[in-house]
Amino acid sequence: DAGVTQSPTHLIKTRGQQVTLRCSPKSGHDTVSWYQQALGQGPQFIFQYYEEEERQRGNFPDRFSGHQFPNYSSELNVNALLLGDSALYLCASSSGQGSEDFGAGTRLSVL
Amino acid sequence: LAKTTQPISMDSYEGQEVNITCSHNNIATNDYITWYQQFPSQGPRFIIQGYKTKVTNEVASLFIPADRKSSTLSLPRVSLSDTAVYYCLVALLNTGFQKLVFGTGTRLLVSP
Repeated sequence: DAGVTQSPTHLIKTRGQQVTLRCSPKSGHDTVSWYQQALGQGPQFIFQYYEEEERQRGNFPDRFSGHQFPNYSSELNVNALLLGDSALYLCASSSGQGSEDFGAGTRLSVL
Repeated sequence: LAKTTQPISMDSYEGQEVNITCSHNNIATNDYITWYQQFPSQGPRFIIQGYKTKVTNEVASLFIPADRKSSTLSLPRVSLSDTAVYYCLVALLNTGFQKLVFGTGTRLLVSP
């Protein structure tokens, strides 16, 4: 049984570009959350999706947007990339009844 | 969500027991205490969760005093592979609206 899978594993972009990250939740999970983790810091909550809608949002600008599909997979989109957006982006899934399972993340570098 | 405070780093040797204490003075009645482990370039991995008293699983124990203002993660007989960052969180669970708030964690270094 596959856990949470994320793609791509690494990505390099330049300032001003747009990026899309993808996440497939663990089987049986219907809730997907996204986190940003800067080097040396703990993960910071971006937003959470349930039933294809954004249910909660952290303190991130509107440049960060997302989507959840009927099969519960999710995408994170970041527009107008800034150097400070360089980080490990983590996807986590849950069924709402317990802890979250995290993927290995996508390492985004903005040059 | 309650803020947590934990030591920035800890050092230990193989075979020793490691206890990492976390302070969460403003924990709410419905908050659970959860610990995650994270290795470099990987996502956090759930270790253990509890509400009060003591919880034990195959990898760790979690001790929570009656006032619930702190908790202690206990790792018995650590090995080199336990070198990682350990995060203490409080989270309202079982509502479907869980949002995990991570601090900077405790970096545990296990030496031979």
